Amino acid sequence: EAQVTQNPRYLITVTGKKLTVTCSQNMNHEYMSWYRQDPGLGLRQIYYSMNVEVTDKGDVPEGYKVSRKEKRNFPLILESPSPNQTSLYFCASTKRTPVLGYNEQFFGPGTRLTVL
Amino acid sequence: TQLLEQSPQFLSIQEGENLTVYCNSSSVFSSLQWYRQEPGEGPVLLVTVVTGGEVKKLKRLTFQFGDARKDSSLHITAAQPGDTGLYLCAGEDAGGTSYGKLTFGQGTILTVHP
Repeated sequence: EAQVTQNPRYLITVTGKKLTVTCSQNMNHEYMSWYRQDPGLGLRQIYYSMNVEVTDKGDVPEGYKVSRKEKRNFPLILESPSPNQTSLYFCASTKRTPVLGYNEQFFGPGTRLTVL
Repeated sequence: TQLLEQSPQFLSIQEGENLTVYCNSSSVFSSLQWYRQEPGEGPVLLVTVVTGGEVKKLKRLTFQFGDARKDSSLHITAAQPGDTGLYLCAGEDAGGTSYGKLTFGQGTILTVHP
């Protein structure tokens, strides 16, 4: 089954304690991205990756890091989490379908992060 | 930076009423997607509109893409309690290096009362 998986689904941590949220896709997509969702703000892109070893900042990258050592995995790293990073995080994988005029998006189930 | 303004942010109506949600931007998008999201889950795609002026229908839901591809609307006819949820619009600029990135509206929380 084609899917995007994220772990953990829920995480409560304390300020300054490094954490990693994993994301994996089994569809061989080149493009992957991370979004955070906050009430009244919709989803905002944090980082994206267009291929292995190619990553770039999205709209809200401060306080986050990513890596793309393999095509299937795109972990999100918070080196020193702060309370303002409490949010719902979604990993997404994109299939290029230019013949359709748009690209198909596949979202993970989300990770609810609380930083105390 | 592209922006999508979605309105209204909250909508509380009675079963059987009609409603419309709007997404507006000053930017042109190559496509506009509408999602519905349930609590604790990721967004689920409802429809994608690609052509300016395009209208798509999904049962009681009607989606329209503006002629200039800068705005879109979602109209629900005879709303039912099962329509309750968060609705999100998202625009994509499918060309060039920004392909794959979605610009989301703020979302509309719809509550349909029996």
